[in-house]
Amino acid sequence: QLQLQESGSGLVKPSQTLSLTCDVSGASIRTGGYSWSWIRQPPGKALESIGYVSQSGTTYSNPSLKSRVAISIDMSKNQLSLKVTSVTAADTAVYYCARAYPSYYYALDVWGQGATVIVSS
Amino acid sequence: EIVLTQSPGTLSLSPGETATLSCRTSQSVNYNYLAWYQRKPGQPPRLLVYGASNRASGIPDRFSCSGSRTDFTLTISRLEPEDFAVYYCQCFDPSPPTYTFGQGTHLDLK
Repeated sequence: QLQLQESGSGLVKPSQTLSLTCDVSGASIRTGGYSWSWIRQPPGKALESIGYVSQSGTTYSNPSLKSRVAISIDMSKNQLSLKVTSVTAADTAVYYCARAYPSYYYALDVWGQGATVIVSS
Repeated sequence: EIVLTQSPGTLSLSPGETATLSCRTSQSVNYNYLAWYQRKPGQPPRLLVYGASNRASGIPDRFSCSGSRTDFTLTISRLEPEDFAVYYCQCFDPSPPTYTFGQGTHLDLK
């Protein structure tokens, strides 16, 4: 059964870099034929798309965050990574990785439990 | 940029009643890329419906969806105690791949 687990920096100082990883178990990123997404939810706000990794491994970032976001895949570790640079309080959120299932028209059918990131000095 | 507006913001009902949740999009969308999620405190969102009307695996038939173009509806019949949660609609744009979510409808126990 597919499981996703986020981990990484829980407290980040303003202007520094937020780093998260998403460990994928139960399916291979390399051969599974799935796409993946990073989503976040700031306190009291709506869910927000951060970025996307296609089945071919191409990465995309939300245009509103694009210059600060780096998404990568490590197929040897079966892991996704997210970095957000120059963070501010507005980046405080719960961050999720999720599978975008092609057979479900890329709806997000499996989610990690989420990683809380607080940006504060 | 597409905007999803959900209504009502809060819906207070009792078990056994029927909940009707609305999601309106600022522009016409491909209904295949419209999904609904349920969110309970401390848990990640749970996919309920994809392709505007297809229930995800394990979702009871009390959950049904309809709609097209700019207006979509999630109906929950015969509310159970575990149904009281926040519900989000979501639209996917494949080019470039981007997800947009509504702000959510809180379904509260009356």
